[in-house]
Amino acid sequence: DAKTTQPNSMESNEEEPVHLPCNHSTISGTDYIHWYRQLPSQGPEYVIHGLTSNVNNRMASLAIAEDRKSSTLILHRATLRDAAVYYCILRNNRDDKIIFGKGTRLHILP
Amino acid sequence: DAGVIQSPRHEVTEMGQEVTLRCKPISGHNSLFWYRQTMMRGLELLIYFNNNVPIDDSGMPEDRFSAKMPNASFSTLKIQPSEPRDSAVYFCASSLGLAGYRYFGPGTRLTVT
Repeated sequence: DAKTTQPNSMESNEEEPVHLPCNHSTISGTDYIHWYRQLPSQGPEYVIHGLTSNVNNRMASLAIAEDRKSSTLILHRATLRDAAVYYCILRNNRDDKIIFGKGTRLHILP
Repeated sequence: DAGVIQSPRHEVTEMGQEVTLRCKPISGHNSLFWYRQTMMRGLELLIYFNNNVPIDDSGMPEDRFSAKMPNASFSTLKIQPSEPRDSAVYFCASSLGLAGYRYFGPGTRLTVT
């Protein structure tokens, strides 16, 4: 499985943007970049995914480097409810499995 | 819409007892996944089904663990006999096809004393 590297934890102030980085230097051409997050005492939930172009949805934005070896999940205006563990995962269409790493624990300061 | 439903939400049992965890996937989803989460090992994929058929059980830790999916709306994960090291949160997830987004249930917190 292609691996991703994320910081163990990050802090941000409420109502400010948050940029969560992910390195995936061994990404292959058919790997999609997926992000899930896990709120406290809940199961993970899908956030966003992309292949080459930047992506936006109601939850977040995904900025993908031109060489695709890194990406950044952007929360435009963090709230206390965004405090969670964020997982960056590589998948291609042949992958049945989603393998979760340790993710980044995001703390939001009021 | 109801999401993935798991029961019980909490289970406390003594070592050696049989434990059965239950999962009802989202209606219409044909793929189902069982995960286990601990502080030490994170989220581990145990087994998954597609169209009620087990596809890969390589993540099941021991023969004490077994899982079934008798129909499209129900799956069980059984541990017999249970041991303290089985204490974890067990999540069930479902998706529309194996390539679909995973929708996770709220989990079952299992404590084996």
